[in-house]
Amino acid sequence: NAGVTQTPKFRVLKTGQSMTLLCAQDMNHEYMYWYRQDPGMGLRLIHYSVGEGTTAKGEVPDGYNVSRLKKQNFLLGLESAAPSQTSVYFCASGTPNTGELFFGEGSRLTVL
Amino acid sequence: GNSVTQMEGPVTLSEEAFLTINCTYTATGYPSLFWYVQYPGEGLQLLLKATKADDKGSNKGFEATYRKETTSFHLEKGSVQVSDSAVYFCALILGSGGTSYGKLTFGQGTILTVHP
Repeated sequence: NAGVTQTPKFRVLKTGQSMTLLCAQDMNHEYMYWYRQDPGMGLRLIHYSVGEGTTAKGEVPDGYNVSRLKKQNFLLGLESAAPSQTSVYFCASGTPNTGELFFGEGSRLTVL
Repeated sequence: GNSVTQMEGPVTLSEEAFLTINCTYTATGYPSLFWYVQYPGEGLQLLLKATKADDKGSNKGFEATYRKETTSFHLEKGSVQVSDSAVYFCALILGSGGTSYGKLTFGQGTILTVHP
């Protein structure tokens, strides 16, 4: 089973460039999430979606946009990358309120 | 607001040693509590959970008890193995019936290294 798949796994950008991270899940989950992981700060929620066509802001949404056009996909976009967005990004999916999220393997982004 | 605080790491142990990773929380209401584990190069995966006071979650030899009086959920294992080397995250979720939207609040993570 594929579970949650993120692409790309590594990317280097220059300041001001744009890019999109793709997350795909094959578990028919309604809820999907984008987190960023930084040393000593745990995981912080960027945006989330409770169903196809819906998105909502998390804890650290500034500088990011998301879209959920299909239930199985959740896209995270950076319109103008900044060095502060250097991080490891994790996508997750799950069912409401169980607390069990299924994570992808992460996407390491470096902004120079 | 809601928050989770874990003990400072990294933690380095010898194989077969006893492990404790402390976790305390602050929450408005009655959260469910979780431990997630992240093995090198992988995403997080659920290790165990407890949904109400005095519940004990257990999996793979790890245990944690939901202590409402001390707002704690410490992770323990009696005899660690090299394969337990990973980053461990304590987390909470609030709400029921869809009100929390599945949003977990994570601690900062504790790196565990086990040597042979």
